[in-house]
Amino acid sequence: GENVEQHPSTLSVQEGDSAVIKCTYSDSASNYFPWYKQELGKRPQLIIDIRSNVGEKKDQRIAVTLNKTAKHFSLHITETQPEDSAVYFCAASKGGTSYGKLTFGQGTILTVHP
Amino acid sequence: EPEVTQTPSHQVTQMGQEVILRCVPISNHLYFYWYRQILGQKVEFLVSFYNNEISEKSEIFDDQFSVERPDGSNFTLKIRSTKLEDSAMYFCASNGLGNQPQHFGDGTRLSIL
Repeated sequence: GENVEQHPSTLSVQEGDSAVIKCTYSDSASNYFPWYKQELGKRPQLIIDIRSNVGEKKDQRIAVTLNKTAKHFSLHITETQPEDSAVYFCAASKGGTSYGKLTFGQGTILTVHP
Repeated sequence: EPEVTQTPSHQVTQMGQEVILRCVPISNHLYFYWYRQILGQKVEFLVSFYNNEISEKSEIFDDQFSVERPDGSNFTLKIRSTKLEDSAMYFCASNGLGNQPQHFGDGTRLSIL
């Protein structure tokens, strides 16, 4: 089955710096890659997603890139703010109409220092 | 914005007892999921459900677990003969047709004593 590896496990940056989190996946049939932000004790919240027919997607300070050949995708957060501090999970899915089950990475604890 | 709702928020149960976790997916969604997250670990897929039947399940989802959609709004996860290692946060998620991502509920924290 699908295996998603995520790095780094922890990331500490100064406010205003950029943060990059990387994931690799094993199943070339995966075609949908969401990123979730999870604050302590809360639900995972979708922040951005990308499908396999697209190489890059941006939403304000957040961007995701996908390299299908290398089977890796990355989350980029620019101009980080203390409220960006949370655990970030990448995920992959083969889906179909439903996008199917999500296989998650291990998570990255991002800390943004004021 | 519509949300997935889960009850209870916290369930404490003695080992060996049965528990039912409840979810109300977003009303026009057709695909439903249960995930679990052991403290400090990643989110793990348990089961997906569509058209009143299981569409996929993980190795975790053994005979101890079952899911049901008893009416038009609720989606439940039943865990029989609970074990200490069942202690985790259980998330329900749902999505609709087309290019729609999964939305998660706030979760039920299950503590087995």
